[in-house]
Amino acid sequence: GENVEQHPSTLSVQEGDSAVIKCTYSDSASNYFPWYKQELGKRPQLIIDIRSNVGEKKDQRIAVTLNKTAKHFSLHITETQPEDSAVYFCAGPLNQAGTALIFGKGTTLSVSS
Amino acid sequence: DTEVTQTPKHLVMGMTNKKSLKCEQHMGHRAMYWYKQKAKKPPELMFVYSYEKLSINESVPSRFSPECPNSSLLNLHLHALQPEDSALYLCASSQEGQNEKLFFGSGTQLSVL
Repeated sequence: GENVEQHPSTLSVQEGDSAVIKCTYSDSASNYFPWYKQELGKRPQLIIDIRSNVGEKKDQRIAVTLNKTAKHFSLHITETQPEDSAVYFCAGPLNQAGTALIFGKGTTLSVSS
Repeated sequence: DTEVTQTPKHLVMGMTNKKSLKCEQHMGHRAMYWYKQKAKKPPELMFVYSYEKLSINESVPSRFSPECPNSSLLNLHLHALQPEDSALYLCASSQEGQNEKLFFGSGTQLSVL
C-alpha cells in the first residue's frame, strides 16, 4: 500500500516569513496530492490540491509543487500570518485505485508576531 | 448544502454501553468514510463505503460496526469499547471515491470511561 512521509513535524516562523512542508510518497501510480489544515478543535479542511499532470498550483499565499520523479510534493506558504498557525497534513492514496486517502503525520506550524 | 453533519458532537460512554454515531451529507456524494483521530495524530482510516457498500475495513475491531442505510447516511455503532478508543471520530464524504477531495464533518469527541 501507499506510504506518506511528512517533514518537519514542527515548524516555527516569524510573521511574514515563508514556510515549506514536504511530503514523500511511495507509489508512482499516485496522481492526487492534497493538503489539509486543521486548527485546534476543528475539522481538517482542504487548502490546496494538485494532480499529477501539473507541477505547481497557486492560490494566493499558498502553493503546492509536485516532483513526480523524486516522488515528493511540498506546501509553500508565503507572507505567513498568525492565523496560519495550525497542523498541516498531506495525504496520499491508500491504494492504486485511490479509493481512500491516508494522511502524513502532520506538521505543527507556529507563526509568531 | 456543502456540509457533512455529525451527531452527537460529544459522547461519554461506559465500557458496557451501546451507542451510535451518525453522519449525514446531502451533496450527492457516493463515497463515505470513517476516520479516527487521537490528539496530536493524523486521521486514521477505519472504513470506506462506496455506493452504500462497505469497500474497505482497515482491520478495525468488531466492537466498531459501520452501517450505511442510504446514500446520505452513515452510522458507526459502538459496543463494549475500551478507554483507548477515546478519540475524535470524523466522518467524510467524496463525490465518487477516487482520488478526490474529502469533505469532513466536525467530528464526534468520544470519551470511554
